[in-house]
Amino acid sequence: GNSVTQMEGPVTLSEEAFLTINCTYTATGYPSLFWYVQYPGEGLQLLLKATKADDKGSNKGFEATYRKETTSFHLEKGSVQVSDSAVYFCALSDTLTGGGNKLTFGTGTQLKVEL
Amino acid sequence: KAGVTQTPRYLIKTRGQQVTLSCSPISGHRSVSWYQQTPGQGLQFLFEYFSETQRNKGNFPGRFSGRQFSNSRSEMNVSTLELGDSALYLCASSRDSNSNQPQHFGDGTRLSIL
Repeated sequence: GNSVTQMEGPVTLSEEAFLTINCTYTATGYPSLFWYVQYPGEGLQLLLKATKADDKGSNKGFEATYRKETTSFHLEKGSVQVSDSAVYFCALSDTLTGGGNKLTFGTGTQLKVEL
Repeated sequence: KAGVTQTPRYLIKTRGQQVTLSCSPISGHRSVSWYQQTPGQGLQFLFEYFSETQRNKGNFPGRFSGRQFSNSRSEMNVSTLELGDSALYLCASSRDSNSNQPQHFGDGTRLSIL
């Protein structure tokens, strides 16, 4: 079956530090890949997506490249801010027999950014 | 453009009761999916509805059911509540039922079982 593996958190960084959150996946088909962010007390917000190999998703300074050869979709940001503190989820949506839309999530990585 | 709206935001129930949660998708979105989020199991897929039909179902017991109306609004029902059903229930909508489409989430309904 499909699965997503994320690095364990929490990740604690100083403001303006470089961020990498690793994500690898296992899928039977040709998945689309997503990063979502969740702030306390809220639902998930779509951060970025990539739908095919070598696509780069980017938004708000965050980037991730769909690497089919390494089955990875690592999230990066060059300079984090305190406001980036949240839980980040990597997810995939695979083509399903008969169609449909189902997300498989990683366990989430909590990011704490300190001044 | 209004986002996904879930009601109520919080619910407290006791074991054995049943509960109905509601979700209004983004205007124009026809696919609605439901997820359960718990500290132990993380985010797990419950089911997806598209054009009033259930397209996919996760590995949850039959106590969990749902439906979708002609205006794409969806409800989820849980019967005979158990302590383990305490969770944040998230609804997500997308334009159609295609794996390329990003899903947009509501803020969830937090269900607590006493």
